[in-house]
Amino acid sequence: EVQLLESGGGLVQPGGSLRLSCATSGFTFTGYAMSWVRQAPGKGLEWVSGASSSGGSTYYADSVKGRFTISRDNSKNTLYLQMNSLRVEDTAVYYCAKGGAGYCSGGSCYARFDPWGQGTLVTVSS
Amino acid sequence: QSALTQPASVSGSPGQSITISCTGTSSDVGSYNLVSWYQHHPGKAPKLMIYEGTKRPSGVSNRFSGSKSGNTASLTISGLQAEDEADYYCCSYAGSSTFYVFGTGTKVTVL
Repeated sequence: EVQLLESGGGLVQPGGSLRLSCATSGFTFTGYAMSWVRQAPGKGLEWVSGASSSGGSTYYADSVKGRFTISRDNSKNTLYLQMNSLRVEDTAVYYCAKGGAGYCSGGSCYARFDPWGQGTLVTVSS
Repeated sequence: QSALTQPASVSGSPGQSITISCTGTSSDVGSYNLVSWYQHHPGKAPKLMIYEGTKRPSGVSNRFSGSKSGNTASLTISGLQAEDEADYYCCSYAGSSTFYVFGTGTKVTVL
């Protein structure tokens, strides 16, 4: 059974930092891109960032570019999201998900998110 | 990059069929057959229901189907059941600059 378990969320002041982790099991981690998606309170889903299967390519939404860094440790089957310079508007439940290839040109591409973790809540407030 | 446009809410009686639209642009929905749909019950993990516009993952009921015409994708739920009451989101690949854009979300209510 594929499992994704996020951790690391919590309360942080504006301008602060937080590191999220997503421990995975039940599939070949090195075979898939991985992604972070968030949902702010009362709002819809927003794609945040993705990393290729090797971690050599990373990609970001404009809203977090330059502040967030995605990485992965393929020896530990774990995905990370380092969040710096946090803003009130970054308050959200952060989900990790298997998939979300960054570069799709012709043919089939794993451009879907399946499955998702249960999420971890990040609250940015003074 | 703006979110894809979905109706805020759709409702139907048990057994009926409903369709949720997802309107994008020629830069996302219209350019790629890479639209996916997610069912989200509040407090739980979102679940993939349709991928690549029309394909259904193993284990998803065949009451769920997807289609696309131009810049608009659609999700149809037939034989509506109480358990289908949830929020639904579309998502499209949008190229190697924007990457992914989600829809605004649709709340499905079973009357």
